[in-house]
Amino acid sequence: AQSVTQPDIHITVSEGASLELRCNYSYGATPYLFWYVQSPGQGLQLLLKYFSGDTLVQGIKGFEAEFKRSQSSFNLRKPSVHWSDAAEYFCAVGGEIYSGAGSYQLTFGKGTKLSVIP
Amino acid sequence: ETGVTQTPRHLVMGMTNKKSLKCEQHLGHNAMYWYKQSAKKPLELMFVYNFKEQTENNSVPSRFSPECPNSSHLFLHLHTLQPEDSALYLCASAQGGYSGANVLTFGAGSRLTVL
Repeated sequence: AQSVTQPDIHITVSEGASLELRCNYSYGATPYLFWYVQSPGQGLQLLLKYFSGDTLVQGIKGFEAEFKRSQSSFNLRKPSVHWSDAAEYFCAVGGEIYSGAGSYQLTFGKGTKLSVIP
Repeated sequence: ETGVTQTPRHLVMGMTNKKSLKCEQHLGHNAMYWYKQSAKKPLELMFVYNFKEQTENNSVPSRFSPECPNSSHLFLHLHTLQPEDSALYLCASAQGGYSGANVLTFGAGSRLTVL
């Protein structure tokens, strides 16, 4: 079964500092990988995705992520954090796995909450 | 505004009440999803509809009853809920088809409190 681990529950960084959020996945083939962000009281918004090709993917709001097959990781990075980046970040993996009645599940991690110190 | 609208945003109900959550998408997508988000737990997929047909029921108790009258609307009917059902219920839509590459667009959620 596919799974996602986000080892950091809560991270605090100073505004202007660099950020790296960790994500490890378990999946038997080439996965589809996603990062979503959730601001308080809101739904999830897609930051970026990896399907194939270049292992360094660029997303919205200045975020990027790197797919490392050898480490089963898809870490999210930003060189300089802004106060508005404070939110919860979710890594997710999807793949061609038959599940239940014939659809394919997207498995989410438990999330990492980011706090930003002014 | 994501193109996926959920109503109501907040709902408080007693254990014997019957209520419904509504989701509407204006993106032309063919797949719609219900997720449950509880504190300190990963998002739990509840139901998936592809082209109005239910393709996934993730062992959800029968006190939750989904309805998808067309590709743009999705309902979650609630009855005789338990306090542990209190959570944020998220609706999402996607292009559809059987693919793990589906990019989900989420609504803002309906915060449910069961007393």
